[in-house]
Amino acid sequence: KNEVEQSPQNLTAQEGEFITINCSYSVGISALHWLQQHPGGGIVSLFMLSSGKKKHGRLIATINIQEKHSSLHITASHPRDSAVYICAAVFNTDKLIFGTGTRLQVFP
Amino acid sequence: KAGVTQTPRYLIKTRGQQVTLSCSPISGHRSVSWYQQTPGQGLQFLFEYFSETQRNKGNFPGRFSGRQFSNSRSEMNVSTLELGDSALYLCASSFGSRLPPSYGYTFGSGTRLTVV
Repeated sequence: KNEVEQSPQNLTAQEGEFITINCSYSVGISALHWLQQHPGGGIVSLFMLSSGKKKHGRLIATINIQEKHSSLHITASHPRDSAVYICAAVFNTDKLIFGTGTRLQVFP
Repeated sequence: KAGVTQTPRYLIKTRGQQVTLSCSPISGHRSVSWYQQTPGQGLQFLFEYFSETQRNKGNFPGRFSGRQFSNSRSEMNVSTLELGDSALYLCASSFGSRLPPSYGYTFGSGTRLTVV
């Protein structure tokens, strides 16, 4: 069965802290997305990766295919990073399965 | 350039009615996919269209259907609405024919459907 698990469910941090959000999946995938959803519902695609590591500004996404695990890191977190972060795995069946999301709140 | 446009933004319908939602992808994007987001189930994949053909379908009942037109615009239809269909419906478009898309997805702002 294709499954995606995300942790933690909720995360609070002080401005400047290093944040890590984890995503694990049950069987082989062809790619993994990290998405950001702000209050109001708008979703932004942050990364799509199938191996290694990608970096964009203060955001870093890594994936370990053997361990079936991906992480999203935010360096020097800021209150504007407060959002729900969702991982979504593209399984070899081409189906996109979403994690339950991590609600991040960064306080000044 | 214009993003993914979903209309309407908000909709209230009565149980038993049907509803049609519209999604206009980014110019040049030929793939459109639809998702349902509810507090209980989170985000779930509904279906994906490319060049007017449904390529992929999630685990939703037949009341949920969609189509794509030659200009890549897509509609989804839900018939015989149930209270549990209340949700945020999102569409996303992507460039090219590959799955997964090489450049990721661009999401619309969604249509919030309330069934009363």
